Amino acid sequence: GIQVEQSPPDLILQEGANSTLRCNFSDSVNNLQWFHQNPWGQLINLFYIPSGTKQNGRLSATTVATERYSLLYISSSQTTDSGVYFCAVTSSGGGNKLTFGTGTQLKVEL
Amino acid sequence: DAMVIQNPRYQVTQFGKPVTLSCSQTLNHNVMYWYQQKSSQAPKLLFHYYDKDFNNEADTPDNFQSRRPNTSFCFLDIRSPGLGDAAMYLCASRTTPGTEAFFGQGTRLTVV
Repeated sequence: GIQVEQSPPDLILQEGANSTLRCNFSDSVNNLQWFHQNPWGQLINLFYIPSGTKQNGRLSATTVATERYSLLYISSSQTTDSGVYFCAVTSSGGGNKLTFGTGTQLKVEL
Repeated sequence: DAMVIQNPRYQVTQFGKPVTLSCSQTLNHNVMYWYQQKSSQAPKLLFHYYDKDFNNEADTPDNFQSRRPNTSFCFLDIRSPGLGDAAMYLCASRTTPGTEAFFGQGTRLTVV
């Protein structure tokens, strides 16, 4: 099946700093999403982005499907951005499966 | 308004006592998923349905079963929970593979 790797696995930032999270996948995809998992465990949808670039406030994401990676940018980070960020994909030949990446644990400090 | 609802949010069960977790969605989505997530790990797919078609992951333990009696509801049954089954269980739905998936708030299962 498709392999999905995220980097870095852990990241500590000072409040106000910018960061880039990366998601690499091993096969072509027809679906890619970014999620933020809050401290209570719920997965919050950030972006549905199988290709192209989107922005939502301080967050933006870019997927380069032909090169099999996606990037999540967080600007002017806040303590509330802390948590785990996952990308999840469905491969073009993978039926209905939604496969999660390994995750990036982000901590934003004052 | 919550679109994918999981009940209960927290469930405590005894070792070996069957337990059922439920999920409902108001979106009329064709595809529904169950994931297991253990501490500091990524969610792991257990099952998914496309309408009534059931798909079981090869490494899902036989102890886990699922039912989807209609489009809106999906259940996860754990026949004889062991201590290793303590985890967060997440349900999700979407229309088709190429569309956005939405997750419920999860059920945190404790086995005592």
